[in-house]
Amino acid sequence: DSGVTQTPKHLITATGQRVTLRCSPRSGDLSVYWYQQSLDQGLQFLIQYYNGEERAKGNILERFSAQQFPDLHSELNLSSLELGDSALYFCASSPPGSDEQYFGPGTRLTVT
Amino acid sequence: DQQVKQNSPSLSVQEGRISILNCDYTNSMFDYFLWYKKYPAEGPTFLISISSIKDKNEDGRFTVFLNKSAKHLSLHIVPSQPGDSAVYFCAASSGVFGNEKLTFGTGTRLTIIP
Repeated sequence: DSGVTQTPKHLITATGQRVTLRCSPRSGDLSVYWYQQSLDQGLQFLIQYYNGEERAKGNILERFSAQQFPDLHSELNLSSLELGDSALYFCASSPPGSDEQYFGPGTRLTVT
Repeated sequence: DQQVKQNSPSLSVQEGRISILNCDYTNSMFDYFLWYKKYPAEGPTFLISISSIKDKNEDGRFTVFLNKSAKHLSLHIVPSQPGDSAVYFCAASSGVFGNEKLTFGTGTRLTIIP
């Protein structure tokens, strides 16, 4: 158990819908990262927050957005969903000054 | 453009022998490298890392070697055990102060044969 929690574990929804994925980082970690893993692919970096502020952006679509709240949990919002958005979405956190990231169990999103 | 490459999608090794997983990178700005292990239906688990100021880091059965001139790193597992069967991801980051995003390779599926 990494200490990073993600909910829900599974999500099945239809095209055009909107969903919210939630992540709680490890205690003391200020940085939260979101990654997407499509079938047989590596993890693609989406976005990073550090202590409530957006710090870095990767290949995140405009239909996707995220935020980090004062209690440091983060939410990833995916809207106007398409079949190609079906993937595993991982959240990770890291302590200040470290590059070692600790991953949650992921949310498997299926868009039908 | 794949900045971190793991060219072997799969590898099978006999139990007790050495497993060697390879990773190449193209971005000269990368200065910190990590290996993660992933079981099905779980998130990646941090295994071992190496800074660009070193060429070797060892932790129990796991050793990571870094060849900066060749932009190549490898993970050695000795001796290999059945529980090592998993997908292994190589990752890299750049920056001085930490908390940088990671760029991942596509992974190598390691199967340990009893």
